[in-house]
Amino acid sequence: NAGVTQTPKFQVLKTGQSMTLQCAQDMNHEYMSWYRQDPGMGLRLIHYSVGAGITDQGEVPNGYNVSRSTTEDFPLRLLSAAPSQTSVYFCASSYGGGGSYNEQFFGPGTRLTVL
Amino acid sequence: RKEVEQDPGPFNVPEGATVAFNCTYSNSASQSFFWYRQDCRKEPKLLMSVYSSGNEDGRFTAQLNRASQYISLLIRDSKLSDSATYLCVVNREGNNRLAFGKGNQVVVIP
Repeated sequence: NAGVTQTPKFQVLKTGQSMTLQCAQDMNHEYMSWYRQDPGMGLRLIHYSVGAGITDQGEVPNGYNVSRSTTEDFPLRLLSAAPSQTSVYFCASSYGGGGSYNEQFFGPGTRLTVL
Repeated sequence: RKEVEQDPGPFNVPEGATVAFNCTYSNSASQSFFWYRQDCRKEPKLLMSVYSSGNEDGRFTAQLNRASQYISLLIRDSKLSDSATYLCVVNREGNNRLAFGKGNQVVVIP
């Protein structure tokens, strides 16, 4: 199993450009999430999905869109990149949801710089 | 008050020593608790879950104190390979919305 994969690993954008960060998992997990990690801030939840066709907002959703058409894939779209979106983005998946001890499996991250 | 608070450190620990740190959480309805380890520029990985009865995994011991709303991690006989950031993670309100602390940075010194 490849686990959780993310592409690209690094990306530089100009302000106003759009792009999609890809995330895929091969563990048949229902739950998938996107986080961003900034220095001194910890990981913050952007969007999450509890299954194909179902998504919801996290604590910092503005400027990002997601969709979940299959169990395996959970892409994150930046609509119009801003310097404030410079960050490291992690995708994660887990077997089950909250209230239980389900391990989150993280992808290797995408390091995004917006100029 | 932040949902999960950790003292970022760094915690400089001589090799072979014991180090311990706490994490406090604000939501008394939180249901599950974890410690994740994150190496520099890498993804977080689960170190151990933290149960009400406390649990131990080799040199690592985790405790949960619901009354005071904190969890702790103790590392005995520190190894150089233990140098990392340890993230406290708390599940919010019975759904999949996890709250992460900023992490405790541990540096084990030869």
